[in-house]
Amino acid sequence: GAVVSQHPSRVICKSGTSVKIECRSLDFQATTMFWYRQFPKQSLMLMATSNEGSKATYEQGVEKDKFLINHASLTLSTLTVTSAHPEDSSFYICSARQALYNSPLHFGNGTRLTVT
Amino acid sequence: GENVEQHPSTLSVQEGDSAVIKCTYSDSASNYFPWYKQELGKGPQLIIDIRSNVGEKKDQRIAVTLNKTAKHFSLHITETQPEDSAVYFCAASYSGGGADGLTFGKGTHLIIQP
Repeated sequence: GAVVSQHPSRVICKSGTSVKIECRSLDFQATTMFWYRQFPKQSLMLMATSNEGSKATYEQGVEKDKFLINHASLTLSTLTVTSAHPEDSSFYICSARQALYNSPLHFGNGTRLTVT
Repeated sequence: GENVEQHPSTLSVQEGDSAVIKCTYSDSASNYFPWYKQELGKGPQLIIDIRSNVGEKKDQRIAVTLNKTAKHFSLHITETQPEDSAVYFCAASYSGGGADGLTFGKGTHLIIQP
């Protein structure tokens, strides 16, 4: 149980284009999902908290207009990297938890974004 | 906000020996401490977690201990096997039942020598 699916696993795009990453909770409902960014050989940095039916909450220093988050249903959150630049190249990972008290966070397998 | 320190950054042990990874946290309000294992190119996988109302938790070869007074917690892996080689992350958060993201340590690259 508690499977989080992330798609695509890898994407290469050109500078200036936008890329959408999907995060789905496959066997549970997630009122809250989280988006993390991870640089090579580094830890996971929380970017934003995605709340179903409301606006996302962004961490300090994360541009909300660049990283658009939509959480339209209890099983799907999307992250859109707009007008991508090479410095946006990174490993993006989503996570979700069941809408139950004290339920643990489960992570997707990540998306490797390369901007050329 | 919360700050999590993790040591060591790299740990090499002989197969069959034990491995210990240690973390400290700064926010005394944190009450949830999970450990994740991340293999190359994959997302983190939850391997064990502990809440502040207990001092120790064990699951087969893996155990976690928590010292709330000192604000540190540790991961213990016994009888290590080659498949234990990965990067391990500790994390901390306040889990009040609502939305809360985890603060991660910087990770420990565990290498199991055959």
